[in-house]
Amino acid sequence: DIQMTQSPSSLSTSVGDRVTITCRASQGISNYLAWYQQKPGKVPQLLIYAASTLQSGVPSRFSGSGSGTDFTLTISSLQPEDVATYYCQEYDDARFTFGPGTKVDI
Amino acid sequence: EVQLLESGGRLVQPGRSLRLSCAASGFAFSDYGMTWVRQAPGKGLEWVSGLSANGDTAFYADSVKGRFTVSRDNSKNTLYLQMSSLRVADTAIYYCTKGRGSIVSFSALWGQGTLVTVSS
Repeated sequence: DIQMTQSPSSLSTSVGDRVTITCRASQGISNYLAWYQQKPGKVPQLLIYAASTLQSGVPSRFSGSGSGTDFTLTISSLQPEDVATYYCQEYDDARFTFGPGTKVDI
Repeated sequence: EVQLLESGGRLVQPGRSLRLSCAASGFAFSDYGMTWVRQAPGKGLEWVSGLSANGDTAFYADSVKGRFTVSRDNSKNTLYLQMSSLRVADTAIYYCTKGRGSIVSFSALWGQGTLVTVSS
């Protein structure tokens, strides 16, 4: 089974800062990776799929990159409404495993 | 409006069964793979099960395989999750999600979730 890890597990930063979250797969998954945002008390929402394709309606300050085993989610200029936990998910095998999440605070 | 509405969650004793439903509206339900994702209180997301658009291909997490069955009725635009031999560890919010195509993949749209509590 593919294992997904994320780093850091949490971070505290400032409005306007650039934020980078890393997701690593235990084996190559091509670009079959999605990123989700879950704000406190809310339902998760899709941000990015196919590692770098922005979901419709998602602000352009969010971007994704990577292929194979190493992926990153970048927020170019953090906004107060970006306080959330971010999850990666692989969809290359039949386990569709989520990463453990990265909590972003201000 | 595209919408997913889960129902069926409640308090149930360990070992008992429960069926969750997810009513879809605002899109061509029969064209999309669907999944169930759960989240235990204060924990992360756990993928549970997925079903292709035509219902031919189903996938399960190891933690629920043999106990949970996913199905769909495309004539009723509804996805189901039949859960049996429930355990305390199955306590979670269960989300119904819509994929982006006919196969099971990532979750492009999420419902509001339904809470399942397994406790004696």
